[in-house]
Amino acid sequence: DIVMTQTPLSSPVTLGQPASISCRSSQSLVHSNGNTYLNWLQQRPGQPPRLLIYEISQRFSGVPDRFSGSGAGTNFTLKISRVEAEDVGVYYCMQGTHFPLYTFGQGTKLEIK
Amino acid sequence: QVQLQQWGAGLLKPSETLSLTCNVFRGSFSGYYWSWVRQPPGKGLEWIGEIHYSGGTKYSPSLESRVTISGDTSKNQFSLKLSSVTAADTAVYYCARHLGRTFDIWGLGTMVTVSS
Repeated sequence: DIVMTQTPLSSPVTLGQPASISCRSSQSLVHSNGNTYLNWLQQRPGQPPRLLIYEISQRFSGVPDRFSGSGAGTNFTLKISRVEAEDVGVYYCMQGTHFPLYTFGQGTKLEIK
Repeated sequence: QVQLQQWGAGLLKPSETLSLTCNVFRGSFSGYYWSWVRQPPGKGLEWIGEIHYSGGTKYSPSLESRVTISGDTSKNQFSLKLSSVTAADTAVYYCARHLGRTFDIWGLGTMVTVSS
């Protein structure tokens, strides 16, 4: 199985300051078709997950442009340029390359200092 | 806007079969892949399996022996059955629609507790 490892597991951030979450996969996420199926989801307290970023850096519809994704191969990063109160929650990276098993990182809890 | 409405029994005894249904509201079951994902209390996300609207299914290897996902195009619904449940199956179960190799629309979740 592909293991997705996120760091940090908890991230206290000051409002208006940037935040960064890293995700590392145990194998390359480059698919044989050339695409890299690394996605980021946000889960606010008491809510279902919400898609933020797909295929490394594609922002999903309605996602603010303060969210951005980058990376390649086995190392990926989600960045929030200026954290807002509504960004509190748990962030998960997720791989869809090595099917039939979608796997998620263990989650990073973003909280306000 | 497409919504996923899900329902099913929330309290089961060990060895019983979990049964959940997800209704595609203001959208179509046809043309998409659909998945079930679960989340034990206070823990992370685990993919259970998927169904294509044409009927093809794929399951997580760790759950494959106990999982059945089925779909009904005429009802715009798909369902999950998980047999021989134990306390380890206690979780919030989500249905979700695929966008390529990820999930763009999620149901609100159904808490399922397995307890004697």
